[in-house]
Amino acid sequence: SAVISQKPSRDICQRGTSLTIQCQVDSQVTMMFWYRQQPGQSLTLIATANQGSEATYESGFVIDKFPISRPNLTFSTLTVSNMSPEDSSIYLCSVGGDSYLSEGYTFGSGTRLTVV
Amino acid sequence: AQSVAQPEDQVNVAEGNPLTVKCTYSVSGNPYLFWYVQYPNRGLQFLLKYITGDNLVKGSYGFEAEFNKSQTSFHLKKPSALVSDSALYFCAVRDSDNYGQNFVFGPGTRLSVLP
Repeated sequence: SAVISQKPSRDICQRGTSLTIQCQVDSQVTMMFWYRQQPGQSLTLIATANQGSEATYESGFVIDKFPISRPNLTFSTLTVSNMSPEDSSIYLCSVGGDSYLSEGYTFGSGTRLTVV
Repeated sequence: AQSVAQPEDQVNVAEGNPLTVKCTYSVSGNPYLFWYVQYPNRGLQFLLKYITGDNLVKGSYGFEAEFNKSQTSFHLKKPSALVSDSALYFCAVRDSDNYGQNFVFGPGTRLSVLP
C-alpha cells in the first residue's frame, strides 16, 4: 500500500493565522482526501482533492476556509485559514487507488493542530 | 443515508481475555465494512474489511470480525487481548450500491487492555 508523509506532525498557531499541511505519497494515487478529527470525536470528511481541478467539499466546509491544492497525483495541501480555537483538531490525509471504494484508504499520521 | 454506531465509548479487558468491540450499521444497499485502529499520535491503520464472501473476516494482528446481515453488525474480536492492543478503534461503512458515496466512520471505541 502507499506510504504517506504528512507534515507538520503538530503545530501550535495563533488565532487569525493560517497553516498549510502537506501530504506526499510515494506513488501515484487516484483519490486523495482530507479529514478532520476533532478532540474526542470521529473522522469527518472535509473534501476530496481532485488533481488538476477544484476540490469537492462536503457540507459544512468551504473553500475560503479550507483551500486545497492537488498539483499532481502524489501531492496535496490543505490550508486552514484564519484559524480560531475551534479549528484545533487532528487533520488527516488519506489516499485510495482505483479500487478505493472497496479497498478502503491509507491514512497519513495526521497533523495535530492547536490554535491559541 | 448510511450510518455507523459503536455503542461503547470505552471497552476494558484484561490481558489474555477475549475482546469484542461492537459495530452496527445502516445502509440501504449492500455494505462494505471496515475496521481501522488509531494508536496515540498516529494516523489510522487498516485492520480488516468485509466486501463479500465469508462472514468471518480475518485481519491484521490476530483480529477478526463477523458480518451479521440480519443484525446489521460487524463486531471486531480477538481471542486473546494484548496490552499493545490498547488504542482507538473505528468502524466504517459504505453503501456499495451507491457508487461515489464515501465512507462514514463510527464515533470510535477506546480499548484498554489491562495487564
